[in-house]
Amino acid sequence: GDSVTQMEGPVTLSEEAFLTINCTYTATGYPSLFWYVQYPGEGLQLLLKATKADDKGSNKGFEATYRKETTSFHLEKGSVQVSDSAVYFCALSDARGTSYGKLTFGQGTILTVHP
Amino acid sequence: DAGVTQSPTHLIKTRGQQVTLRCSPKSGHDTVSWYQQALGQGPQFIFQYYEEEERQRGNFPDRFSGHQFPNYSSELNVNALLLGDSALYLCASRGGRRPYNEQFFGPGTRLTVL
Repeated sequence: GDSVTQMEGPVTLSEEAFLTINCTYTATGYPSLFWYVQYPGEGLQLLLKATKADDKGSNKGFEATYRKETTSFHLEKGSVQVSDSAVYFCALSDARGTSYGKLTFGQGTILTVHP
Repeated sequence: DAGVTQSPTHLIKTRGQQVTLRCSPKSGHDTVSWYQQALGQGPQFIFQYYEEEERQRGNFPDRFSGHQFPNYSSELNVNALLLGDSALYLCASRGGRRPYNEQFFGPGTRLTVL
């Protein structure tokens, strides 16, 4: 079945540092890929998405490129802020077959940014 | 627009009891999905409702059941609660025909089973 693997966390950075959170996936179809963010005490918010190979999703300075050849969707940000501290989830949705948009999530990566 | 709302916010039950969680989707959305998020884990798909029918189900036992009402709101019922059912239960709604349309999540219901 479909699965998503994220890099082990937690990740601790200083403000303005470069961020990379690795994500790889396994899927039998042609998935759409997502990054969700969860702030303390809140639900999930969509951060960015890519629906086909070589697409780049971007939002709020975060970027991720859909790499079909390496089955990866790594999240990057050039300069993190304290307000970026949260849990980040990589997810996929197989739009084909009978999946109806079911999301399969990775285990999450806790990011803490210090001033 | 209130977004996706869930009730209650927190709930404490004992083993063997039954619980009902409620979700109101974002305005204009007709598809509701439920996810279970154990502490320190990613959300796991429970099931999805569309047009008042369960359209897809994840790997959860029959103790987990649901319902969707004509106004698209939804309930998640869990019978014979186990300690392992303690988790954050998230509701997500989506509108439109394309399955990769954005899903909007509610804040969740924190269920504790003692």
